Amino acid sequence: DAMVIQNPRYQVTQFGKPVTLSCSQTLNHNVMYWYQQKSSQAPKLLFHYYDKDFNNEADTPDNFQSRRPNTSFCFLDIRSPGLGDAAMYLCATSRDVGISGYTFGSGTRLTVV
Amino acid sequence: QQQVKQSPQSLIVQKGGISIINCAYENTAFDYFPWYQQFPGKGPALLIAIRPDVSEKKEGRFTISFNKSAKQFSLHIMDSQPGDSATYFCAAGGSQGNLIFGKGTKLSVKP
Repeated sequence: DAMVIQNPRYQVTQFGKPVTLSCSQTLNHNVMYWYQQKSSQAPKLLFHYYDKDFNNEADTPDNFQSRRPNTSFCFLDIRSPGLGDAAMYLCATSRDVGISGYTFGSGTRLTVV
Repeated sequence: QQQVKQSPQSLIVQKGGISIINCAYENTAFDYFPWYQQFPGKGPALLIAIRPDVSEKKEGRFTISFNKSAKQFSLHIMDSQPGDSATYFCAAGGSQGNLIFGKGTKLSVKP
């Protein structure tokens, strides 16, 4: 089945230690998104790639970076995780921006200790 | 203008009852309105979506009602079941931008 796969499902990292979360898709969608979701809150868009074009949200901290080496993979890098970065990180894809449904992965639960 | 306001924050419904969740938007450029269902520990899953050229869309027990003049849309879950207990997010989007999500409604269906 075509899908969005996030690895790992759970990630524990130390305060200040760089961490990378990964996302892969078999849908061949043009757009890949990274969302941060804290407990009982709506997903918050961090950035997205339309093909190779990177689009950062204005309020996304510099601590968060992303890479998309090819159509199928996208990575979220947190350079110096703080306690406030503990959250569920969701990857999503869509065929195009805004006009079609997003397919979400199951998320990576990040814990910062 | 980019906000999507969702209510209520939480909802308790008896099994077999009707669950109703409402959303309102401001940006008239939005032309795509999906609803997502999220179970604990899982990513959101697309449940049903509507475009403004229709006022209602039904898929099984789930119906979206859309009022373009009022800039409101709602999700109705008929014959609600305990397995429907989840958090529901409305969203709005358009060809010029990404989806904007509401804050979510936690639905509990009591047996």
